[in-house]
Amino acid sequence: KQEVTQIPAALSVPEGENLVLNCSFTDSAIYNLQWFRQDPGKGLTSLLLIQSSQREQTSGRLNASLDKSSGRSTLYIAASQPGDSATYLCAVGGGDYKLSFGAGTTVTVRA
Amino acid sequence: EAQVTQNPRYLITVTGKKLTVTCSQNMNHEYMSWYRQDPGLGLRQIYYSMNVEVTDKGDVPEGYKVSRKEKRNFPLILESPSPNQTSLYFCASSLYPGTNEKLFFGSGTQLSVL
Repeated sequence: KQEVTQIPAALSVPEGENLVLNCSFTDSAIYNLQWFRQDPGKGLTSLLLIQSSQREQTSGRLNASLDKSSGRSTLYIAASQPGDSATYLCAVGGGDYKLSFGAGTTVTVRA
Repeated sequence: EAQVTQNPRYLITVTGKKLTVTCSQNMNHEYMSWYRQDPGLGLRQIYYSMNVEVTDKGDVPEGYKVSRKEKRNFPLILESPSPNQTSLYFCASSLYPGTNEKLFFGSGTQLSVL
């Protein structure tokens, strides 16, 4: 069974600092990995999707990398802003059409 | 606007009283799924559906039922709710399963079972 871990559970940084969020998974037989953002009381919004054959994916200030062999993905958010405060979750897609989610990292960007 | 719509947003009920949480998507997606989110546990999959009349269990299916009679709708049924089913529930959909399609989520249903 796929286990997905996100450490740390919470992170607080001053505005302007770069954010580095980590995701690790136990089974490298994945078909993709997605990073989601969740705001309080709201659903999840997909930020980036990395295919299993890719090493990274970029969108604006966001960059996500994937290293299947070591079972790791990292989400980088450049020049953080208070509006980036949210919970970020990673989800790993396996061959059984299931997504396994991490518990998330709650980010606070201080103005 | 492309969206996944869940209803209701909030629901308080009592043990044993049957309830249904509705989910509808307007994107002609094949794949739909239900998750529950509990503090510290992340999202856990309850049931998923690959297409009309095709459903399968996720990681935590006990106490839940689903049906997929139409492509756009995927209701979650709790026949006899219990307090341990108090949770935040999300419905999600994507075009095809097992491919590189993003997953779209509804806004969630906060359920409290007393």
